[in-house]
Amino acid sequence: GQNIDQPTEMTATEGAIVQINCTYQTSGFNGLFWYQQHAGEAPTFLSYNVLDGLEEKGRFSSFLSRSKGYSYLLLKELQMKDSASYLCAGMDSNYQLIWGAGTKLIIKP
Amino acid sequence: SQTIHQWPATLVQPVGSPLSLECTVEGTSNPNLYWYRQAAGRGLQLLFYSVGIGQISSEVPQNLSASRPQDRQFILSSKKLLLSDSGFYLCAWSTGTSDTGELFFGEGSRLTVL
Repeated sequence: GQNIDQPTEMTATEGAIVQINCTYQTSGFNGLFWYQQHAGEAPTFLSYNVLDGLEEKGRFSSFLSRSKGYSYLLLKELQMKDSASYLCAGMDSNYQLIWGAGTKLIIKP
Repeated sequence: SQTIHQWPATLVQPVGSPLSLECTVEGTSNPNLYWYRQAAGRGLQLLFYSVGIGQISSEVPQNLSASRPQDRQFILSSKKLLLSDSGFYLCAWSTGTSDTGELFFGEGSRLTVL
């Protein structure tokens, strides 16, 4: 079966760094997505990885290891506005997205 | 620029009543369109997707249906709502090319069935 696993909730301090992990099992693989979702709002796209390695985009970076079925999202210099849920999604061979339940990130001052 | 809009944003409906959620996309042609449902503590569940007018694929058998009467219009319907239909419904679009598959979401519609 297809499955995406990520922690339910994480807490971090403003100004610090946090890493949100995601493991995936998909039928075929066409990339790994990270989305940010603030409470009561729609998800917004953060990153896409299809090759192994680290993709950096400002304070956010995303890493992929296809051999391990593993990805992480790294958030640096945390700000209060980063408090949100972070959704990991794998794209299968039919280009359909398989979604994780999301990781709720709580930022404390 | 492309925009996506869905409505209504919030609705409270009694069990057994009908449902209609609408979604429109502007600024692009022939988009792939999607209806998702998000329940608390669970991942996004794909309900329907469409690659063209009148072409609807259903992912989950249930009492919901979808229609695409126009290229940039996607409608989610039910004849009789169940309690289990409560949730946050999201419409989304993507381009026809599948190399990245990035989804752009509407604002969401929160449905409470009582």
